[in-house]
Amino acid sequence: DIVMTQSPDSLPVSLGGRAAINCKSSQSVLFRPNNKNHLAWFQQKPGQPPKRLIYWASTRESGVPDRFSGSGSGTDFTLTISSLQAEDVAIYYCQQYYTIPYTFGLGTKLEI
Amino acid sequence: QLHLLESGPRVVKPSGTLSLTCSVSGDPISSSTYYWGWIRQTPGRGLEWIGCIDFRETTYFNPSLQSRVTISVDTSANQFSLRLSSVTAADTAIYYCTREHFGEVSWWAQGTLVTVSS
Repeated sequence: DIVMTQSPDSLPVSLGGRAAINCKSSQSVLFRPNNKNHLAWFQQKPGQPPKRLIYWASTRESGVPDRFSGSGSGTDFTLTISSLQAEDVAIYYCQQYYTIPYTFGLGTKLEI
Repeated sequence: QLHLLESGPRVVKPSGTLSLTCSVSGDPISSSTYYWGWIRQTPGRGLEWIGCIDFRETTYFNPSLQSRVTISVDTSANQFSLRLSSVTAADTAIYYCTREHFGEVSWWAQGTLVTVSS
């Protein structure tokens, strides 16, 4: 299985500030035939299902504010949230969909 | 607008079979290019992909659960179902039905907590 390791486990942030969440996969999730990284980022708030923010490592889901951005390739990825808002307090997960079983990181909790 | 709604028993006895159905509205399964899947979430193991099915009944499973999992589809009812046999307390989780495309999960249901308890 591909292991997804996120860091940090929790991240204290300030409103208006910037947060960077890291995700490392135990093997590359770059699919050479389409030159795409099979990596997504999700946001989960209490009592809600995860919501996809980013797919293909850097493509923002429709309706997601542009303060959310994804970067990285191969095995190392980052979700950056700029101009932090109160509603961004949540747990963030990365997920690889390169190979079965599709696997998730354990999450990073963003705290104000 | 796509809507997924899970239904089924919320409590299952140990060694029994967990059964959940996901009703889909807003996207006909029979003509969809998507797969329809299940993911569960526990505090200890986090998010775990269980498996998925398409309208042709092509299925893919997590190898760690494959021996106990059945996923089926009923295109006439626009539903798909999960069965997990021989459950233990470790199968207590929030179960989500999802719409995905080869692991790219684009839509989640609200989720339902299933507890394994006697």
